[in-house]
Amino acid sequence: EDQVTQSPEALRLQEGESSSLNCSYTVSGLRGLFWYRQDPGKGPEFLFTLYSAGEEKEKERLKATLTKKESFLHITAPKPEDSATYLCAVQAGGANNLFFGTGTRLTVIP
Amino acid sequence: EPEVTQTPSHQVTQMGQEVILRCVPISNHLYFYWYRQILGQKVEFLVSFYNNEISEKSEIFDDQFSVERPDGSNFTLKIRSTKLEDSAMYFCAFRPAPGHYGYTFGSGTRLTVV
Repeated sequence: EDQVTQSPEALRLQEGESSSLNCSYTVSGLRGLFWYRQDPGKGPEFLFTLYSAGEEKEKERLKATLTKKESFLHITAPKPEDSATYLCAVQAGGANNLFFGTGTRLTVIP
Repeated sequence: EPEVTQTPSHQVTQMGQEVILRCVPISNHLYFYWYRQILGQKVEFLVSFYNNEISEKSEIFDDQFSVERPDGSNFTLKIRSTKLEDSAMYFCAFRPAPGHYGYTFGSGTRLTVV
């Protein structure tokens, strides 16, 4: 059975304090790993798609990396506006849908 | 990223009543999805829709649920007889084409069953 586990569940950072969020996955035939940002009461907002181990993608203060077992979302010098829940999801095998983790709730304190 | 509009943004309904949630798809997108998120839980897949028919559905998507594009534009999710446990945020999502893995999610409808 496909498994996506995100850690930590919640993370509090001081503004400017860099850190990483983890997404571990166990799936058959990974076709893509997705990172989304979700603000309270809103829909997930697309950040990145990673397709193969060793791939990296960057956007502003965020950088996503992928290995054969996990993905990291690195946040460099975060700002309060980066506060949100970050969701990891996978598409695997013959499935035509996404399987989500429970998310990491990030709070950045000024 | 293009915006996907869902209506209503919030709906309160009595248990046992029918509800219809609507989504305006992005033009030229071929794959349509419904997901739900119970408060405090993860986003869960309900159903995918391609070429005017269901292509996949989860165990959650039982006989009380149905999807359609009634007028070729709006994409709807109908829940025939709502239960308390149907209370959740419901999101539609779209993907442009086969092999393209970018999913765009809508703003969501908060359904509260009382």
